[in-house]
Amino acid sequence: AQSVAQPEDQVNVAEGNPLTVKCTYSVSGNPYLFWYVQYPNRGLQFLLKYITGDNLVKGSYGFEAEFNKSQTSFHLKKPSALVSDSALYFCAVTGDSWGKLQFGAGTQVVVTP
Amino acid sequence: GAGVSQSPRYKVAKRGQDVALRCDPISGHVSLFWYQQALGQGPEFLTYFQNEAQLDKSGLPSDRFFAERPEGSVSTLKIQRTQQEDSAVYLCASSLGTAVNEKLFFGSGTQLSVL
Repeated sequence: AQSVAQPEDQVNVAEGNPLTVKCTYSVSGNPYLFWYVQYPNRGLQFLLKYITGDNLVKGSYGFEAEFNKSQTSFHLKKPSALVSDSALYFCAVTGDSWGKLQFGAGTQVVVTP
Repeated sequence: GAGVSQSPRYKVAKRGQDVALRCDPISGHVSLFWYQQALGQGPEFLTYFQNEAQLDKSGLPSDRFFAERPEGSVSTLKIQRTQQEDSAVYLCASSLGTAVNEKLFFGSGTQLSVL
């Protein structure tokens, strides 16, 4: 069974401050971890993924995520948030052969000027 | 366009009606997924196609839900005798190959409201 927890429904941050969105997961076998972002009235867009190797993964729009196997976490980070980063962020995991993703419930990020 | 296209964008159905939702994946993409996203929730897996073969339909909530991809490109998700609990956004996603770690390209979804 696969599961993902995003403990925060919403994260508020001032523009220019660091942004962190938390994610923990549970999966049988090796995890493949993803972050997607959803803007209003648009489909989910891929940000980054962890497959294997370096625990720090860099992705689109200045985002990065750190894989921590012992804590089964994959937190999304951005050093300096922009107002345009305001969106709904989803963490997802798969260990499935088809790449069937299990998504978290999402975290709404609000960046204020 | 170069992205995943879904139609209609919005669908209102009376309870008991049948509906058909269409997905045009990116040309050449082998894998196609359908997800259901309820309000305030993350997407939930429904079914997976590799070309025309439906390899996983474990997420379909009942036998009222049926999906097909007869020529390995366009896919249709059909819901028979719609119920209010079917109200959700239905998302289609495709990927180029079949590797488990490939990123998915999502359409904007079809928002289904069952009255």
